[in-house]
Amino acid sequence: AQTVTQSQPEMSVQEAETVTLSCTYDTSENNYYLFWYKQPPSRQMILVIRQEAYKQQNATENRFSVNFQKAAKSFSLKISDSQLGDTAMYFCAFMKVAGNQFYFGTGTSLTVIP
Amino acid sequence: GAGVSQSPSNKVTEKGKDVELRCDPISGHTALYWYRQRLGQGLEFLIYFQGNSAPDKSGLPSDRFSAERTGESVSTLTIQRTQQEDSAVYLCASSFAGAVGQPQHFGDGTRLSIL
Repeated sequence: AQTVTQSQPEMSVQEAETVTLSCTYDTSENNYYLFWYKQPPSRQMILVIRQEAYKQQNATENRFSVNFQKAAKSFSLKISDSQLGDTAMYFCAFMKVAGNQFYFGTGTSLTVIP
Repeated sequence: GAGVSQSPSNKVTEKGKDVELRCDPISGHTALYWYRQRLGQGLEFLIYFQGNSAPDKSGLPSDRFSAERTGESVSTLTIQRTQQEDSAVYLCASSFAGAVGQPQHFGDGTRLSIL
């Protein structure tokens, strides 16, 4: 079975600063994908970034980047130049290639302080 | 619209009543997922449909919960004899399973409140 662990229930960061959200996972699969989703108070889940497990290069999307450590089964999200609109719940997710099943962590509530 | 559509947006009902929640996936998305999210909690997997394959119902919490999907179109999640612990946001997501590693696209959810 796959498990995804987010050990930081709540975090805060000063506007314009950098923050890193942690995520670890447990799997025996070798081929999989990892995602970070953002859920603002408006409730809709929004894809932030995607990482393919067979790619060593860390994914980057503007101010969002990941530190993917496959051997350690770690997938942290770094948000640079934090903005007030980044305030949201952030969920880490693991996807098995076989079967398209997704597994979500319990989330980290991030607050950006003006 | 181009996104996943869920209805109703909010539903308030009395304990013991049946409710039906609807999800319209993105056109062409073969995979459809239902999740439950209690207040301040993470996503709890309920059920997964993939094309015409038998659905993965392993997340349904009790036999009061059921879901249907006809082909690759609309899905309905039905909760019978609702209980107060069923109060939550029910999220639907779809993805294009024809290509590897496609992300899920979520609807806005249905907030269900049981009085």
